[in-house]
Amino acid sequence: EAGVAQSPRYKIIEKRQSVAFWCNPISGHATLYWYQQILGQGPKLLIQFQNNGVVDDSQLPKDRFSAERLKGVDSTLKIQPAKLEDSAVYLCASSRPVTAGEETQYFGPGTRLLVL
Amino acid sequence: GEDVEQSLFLSVREGDSSVINCTYTDSSSTYLYWYKQEPGAGLQLLTYIFSNMDMKQDQRLTVLLNKKDKHLSLRIADTQTGDSAIYFCAAQGRQGGKLIFGQGTELSVKP
Repeated sequence: EAGVAQSPRYKIIEKRQSVAFWCNPISGHATLYWYQQILGQGPKLLIQFQNNGVVDDSQLPKDRFSAERLKGVDSTLKIQPAKLEDSAVYLCASSRPVTAGEETQYFGPGTRLLVL
Repeated sequence: GEDVEQSLFLSVREGDSSVINCTYTDSSSTYLYWYKQEPGAGLQLLTYIFSNMDMKQDQRLTVLLNKKDKHLSLRIADTQTGDSAIYFCAAQGRQGGKLIFGQGTELSVKP
């Protein structure tokens, strides 16, 4: 079974530029998550999708971040315009409920963003 | 709000046991997870425990859960140099969904 795929793996941009990340979840996984991991910290949820609907985007800075999951499979996360503090690893995860309440999340390799 | 705390560093000798500790605040957390992150890589799921259990063993890994004290630990037996990595504890709420992560414990294994 193929894992969660993400691209690009690395991105360097200047502040105020825009950037987009792509994620392809594990086949059959209905739930997709985007996390932001700042250096030295644990990941923090940005947005959660169930199929193509948003379940939780309460921590997404909506003035500059947007995400979509058209057709309920692949997802893109966009930052426009980027700030220095957006430098982080952006992790995508997916899950398929095995039993009620337990949704083991499997993570992709992440996209490392550096904003100069 | 919900919070998960871990000690930042642990250093052990190869062949010894490692114990990584974690505390969490949300008493409604139903599942607790341990993930491993190697340099430049994503998060690898190691194991998880349901909140009605107090212990789970999986090969070299033993997870202990004290629900009363909201304390979770991960014991790695016969620690190897390949176990050197950052280990994250994460709590998942009653409704599933998002994970609340600790800040990670960096495990260093010396030969």
